[in-house]
Amino acid sequence: NAGVMQNPRHLVRRRGQEARLRCSPMKGHSHVYWYRQLPEEGLKFMVYLQKENIIDESGMPKERFSAEFPKEGPSILRIQQVVRGDSAAYFCASSPGNSPLHFGNGTRLTVT
Amino acid sequence: DQQVKQNSPSLSVQEGRISILNCDYTNSMFDYFLWYKKYPAEGPTFLISISSIKDKNEDGRFTVFLNKSAKHLSLHIVPSQPGDSAVYFCAASAGSYGGSQGNLIFGKGTKLSVKP
Repeated sequence: NAGVMQNPRHLVRRRGQEARLRCSPMKGHSHVYWYRQLPEEGLKFMVYLQKENIIDESGMPKERFSAEFPKEGPSILRIQQVVRGDSAAYFCASSPGNSPLHFGNGTRLTVT
Repeated sequence: DQQVKQNSPSLSVQEGRISILNCDYTNSMFDYFLWYKKYPAEGPTFLISISSIKDKNEDGRFTVFLNKSAKHLSLHIVPSQPGDSAVYFCAASAGSYGGSQGNLIFGKGTKLSVKP
């Protein structure tokens, strides 16, 4: 049973470019979450989605960041016009609902 | 303002001894608490959780204790093994496991080193 799959594992973008991070939840999991971890920090909640719906985006920056979880395909976290401060590890997690989150291995974004 | 605090950035323990990792929280609305373990370049892995209606939960070598009046929880690992060396994150949620009723608030982590 495959775990939460994230790709790419590493992503390098220049300032001003767009970054797209993908997440395929575990089979049977309809709840997807995105967290961000800055160096020496804990994970910070960004957004919680169910299929085709954003349930809670209270942790998402108001500008440049968006997330989706379409009916078919992976969840996508999109960061437009990246800046150096966006450099971080982005973790996706999934759950079948009312159970502990299962995390992927993350995408490490570096903005140069 | 940190709602979940892990005040010890690191902890070193001898193999076979007990490891005690501590976590404090400030939000009295938190009612579920979880511990995650993280190896370098990997995602966090769920270890153990506890509901606020309990004061202890045990799973093999891992035991979590909750002191609601002190807003404090701890993770005990007995006996500690070199493979336990990792960063341990404490997380809290106001409602379930951070599912439909809330999200997880993480501490900054404690790096545990278990020496052979």
